[in-house]
Amino acid sequence: QKEVEQNSGPLSVPEGAIASLNCTYSDRGSQSFFWYRQYSGKSPELIMSIYSNGDKEDGRFTAQLNKASQYVSLLIRDSQPSDSATYLCACYSGNTPLVFGKGTRLSVIA
Amino acid sequence: KAGVTQTPRYLIKTRGQQVTLSCSPISGHRSVSWYQQTPGQGLQFLFEYFSETQRNKGNFPGRFSGRQFSNSRSEMNVSTLELGDSALYLCASSSGGGREQYFGPGTRLTVT
Repeated sequence: QKEVEQNSGPLSVPEGAIASLNCTYSDRGSQSFFWYRQYSGKSPELIMSIYSNGDKEDGRFTAQLNKASQYVSLLIRDSQPSDSATYLCACYSGNTPLVFGKGTRLSVIA
Repeated sequence: KAGVTQTPRYLIKTRGQQVTLSCSPISGHRSVSWYQQTPGQGLQFLFEYFSETQRNKGNFPGRFSGRQFSNSRSEMNVSTLELGDSALYLCASSSGGGREQYFGPGTRLTVT
């Protein structure tokens, strides 16, 4: 059973701080990794994808992948109250459905 | 480029009825996946279609079915609705092969 684990939170950070969201996955064959943001009552929105070890930066977001440790993280710099949402981690390992974690709820306090 | 569209956005049905939900993927995307989302269970995978073929199926009863048309549009059907089927049903499209999935706005189904 392929699993993606995330701390459910809530993770509370003050405005302007760095939010660090973490995810571990069980399938060592996972190839593609995604972070989605989901506001309450809305559908998930893709914010980052990462395919190789290391860091990938996009604006205030940085995704980090460590395949040896089976670990993916998302850093949000200069966190804003509008970043308050649930963040879903997802992993793909070839010819199987995308596996989602249950999400981490982030609360940015003004 | 237009995003993923889903119709209807909201539905209220009675136990025992059936329902059909529709999804139009992003132009050029041939893969469509369906998910059920409830507060307690998170995102549960229903099925995935690629070029009109079901490629993967989740662990849901046979009351849940789907299909994909030659234009990549997809429908899912739930027969003999139960109260527990109340959920947000999400469709996501992708170009396939482990690439990014983009979600539609979802259909919120309430079964009374």
